[in-house]
Amino acid sequence: DQQVKQNSPSLSVQEGRISILNCDYTNSMFDYFLWYKKYPAEGPTFLISISSIKDKNEDGRFTVFLNKSAKHLSLHIVPSQPGDSAVYFCAAITGSQGNLIFGKGTKLSVKP
Amino acid sequence: DAGVIQSPRHEVTEMGQEVTLRCKPISGHNSLFWYRQTMMRGLELLIYFNNNVPIDDSGMPEDRFSAKMPNASFSTLKIQPSEPRDSAVYFCASSWLGLNTEAFFGQGTRLTVV
Repeated sequence: DQQVKQNSPSLSVQEGRISILNCDYTNSMFDYFLWYKKYPAEGPTFLISISSIKDKNEDGRFTVFLNKSAKHLSLHIVPSQPGDSAVYFCAAITGSQGNLIFGKGTKLSVKP
Repeated sequence: DAGVIQSPRHEVTEMGQEVTLRCKPISGHNSLFWYRQTMMRGLELLIYFNNNVPIDDSGMPEDRFSAKMPNASFSTLKIQPSEPRDSAVYFCASSWLGLNTEAFFGQGTRLTVV
């Protein structure tokens, strides 16, 4: 059973607009959430994270929102740029276990 | 630091052969993870080590898969015998196990079993 779900396999956005990537989770023990970005033929790279005690974390064009009651988080990219085109993975971790559980990813395409 | 180093980058082998994937984690990190990426299942955690000790290997698909971490700077993932359905990209990642820390990934090994 998938503990971290990314229900949209792909998303297409126009350059300059907002990209919103969504992620749902089922395990209420998760206390830290991360987003990774992956380009073809490369390993995933860390993008941004959020602790379960917060509901928002911002880093430049990237903002992650966490809704614990809904077990939902989202990544907002504003404004979107063609270089943001990649696969984005949502991941979750419990401090007691330490292993990252990933969603299946969402492929973002930003069109010029 | 050079980051997590995996070798080989690409491996093509015949069904039934033994395959060994290698990983050098980032110096100072005490947790190491092996993931497999496929189109169908995304990024699956196969096994992870903490301080060279396997903590959770429940993701290892079959007895044909085995992983070792003889010291803090080296780990191997072995498949014997290999099968075509093992074809995937295998990633190694390392982190400092603590509260709220991210893992750093290697560039992966693309395995093709024919």
